[in-house]
Amino acid sequence: GAGVSQSPRYKVAKRGQDVALRCDPISGHVSLFWYQQALGQGPEFLTYFQNEAQLDKSGLPSDRFFAERPEGSVSTLKIQRTQQEDSAVYLCASTRRRVGSPLHFGNGTRLTVT
Amino acid sequence: GENVEQHPSTLSVQEGDSAVIKCTYSDSASNYFPWYKQELGKRPQLIIDIRSNVGEKKDQRIAVTLNKTAKHFSLHITETQPEDSAVYFCAAKDFGNEKLTFGTGTRLTIIP
Repeated sequence: GAGVSQSPRYKVAKRGQDVALRCDPISGHVSLFWYQQALGQGPEFLTYFQNEAQLDKSGLPSDRFFAERPEGSVSTLKIQRTQQEDSAVYLCASTRRRVGSPLHFGNGTRLTVT
Repeated sequence: GENVEQHPSTLSVQEGDSAVIKCTYSDSASNYFPWYKQELGKRPQLIIDIRSNVGEKKDQRIAVTLNKTAKHFSLHITETQPEDSAVYFCAAKDFGNEKLTFGTGTRLTIIP
């Protein structure tokens, strides 16, 4: 009965380091989304999975960003060679079914690149 | 792609008064319009949503109106309370596209 769970809650990385952010969606939720939220801005779409299939990755800002959901449940967002502009809150959200379901968000991972 | 604009960016309202936040969207195919409330350091939470087959929806002190012709929708909060203070985001998408596009947010402050 838990909500969407994300870890770590906070991550500080030095520029150039790789990071991996984890999302545990609500059990039974087919669709999973990653959003990036810069300070004072609305969430920006990054990528979307339906089960294990990545159906839309049009929002990933560069080839340094990679997401996977190999078993259709837990998802990982990986950022390689982090840059300062990657500093943001990364939100994961899931929905039960494809059409018309509201997004349930996690608390996010706040990434700070120094 | 869809573009959602939201106004105002900040809004201060005396406790007990009403607050109105407005959004416009660009894609006429959009037919689902949710509103999210985000308190500082917390997750966005859905507070109300509307689909394009209705023009208005109400849930206690919160209401949303939709004008498809003009491509704008609004959030109305009546009898505001201090706990209504938060950032509110509107969003839009069509059912054929899973991507939800958000506005830039409105920081609502309720003055006791």
